[in-house]
Amino acid sequence: DQQVKQNSPSLSVQEGRISILNCDYTNSMFDYFLWYKKYPAEGPTFLISISSIKDKNEDGRFTVFLNKSAKHLSLHIVPSQPGDSAVYFCAASQGYQKVTFGTGTKLQVIP
Amino acid sequence: DVKVTQSSRYLVKRTGEKVFLECVQDMDHENMFWYRQDPGLGLRLIYFSYDVKMKEKGDIPEGYSVSREKKERFSLILESASTNQTSMYLCASSTLGLTEAFFGQGTRLTVV
Repeated sequence: DQQVKQNSPSLSVQEGRISILNCDYTNSMFDYFLWYKKYPAEGPTFLISISSIKDKNEDGRFTVFLNKSAKHLSLHIVPSQPGDSAVYFCAASQGYQKVTFGTGTKLQVIP
Repeated sequence: DVKVTQSSRYLVKRTGEKVFLECVQDMDHENMFWYRQDPGLGLRLIYFSYDVKMKEKGDIPEGYSVSREKKERFSLILESASTNQTSMYLCASSTLGLTEAFFGQGTRLTVV
């Protein structure tokens, strides 16, 4: 049972445009959400997070939006850059410790 | 610079062998995790540990065990390797009270 779902396995975006990566979850007890970025042959690196008490968190070019009623979150990257090309994992946790990851979305930013 | 180091980048083992994957972190983190990454399945949690000598099963613990004798080291053991354990294995650590984790570079294990 996949509690965190990323339904788009891949996404292509032109450089300078907005990238929107989506994530859905089923467990209403999740209270903290994260995005990780992963380059080939490297481990994932933490990108941005959001608590369930917020609906938006921004860090530079990256913004995460949370819609609790729809059990949906999204990551916006504006403007997209070629260096953003990577696999992005959505993740969720209940409490601080055990984190459940999605299946990942491969983003390609075309110069 | 924070670091999570996995002992091998690539490993090839034979079916039935006992395999040890080692992970060391230098951040004095309480929590350590082992995941495996497979195409189309994302990252799945195998085992995690909140403290020395403590361990908890994750979502897919079958066929694996772990050892945490020291705070900085978390080992994943494949008791009898099988071909369906061919995967990318990722170790991670995090500090108490924070969910954000630091990952190692991964070990690509092939069981033949």
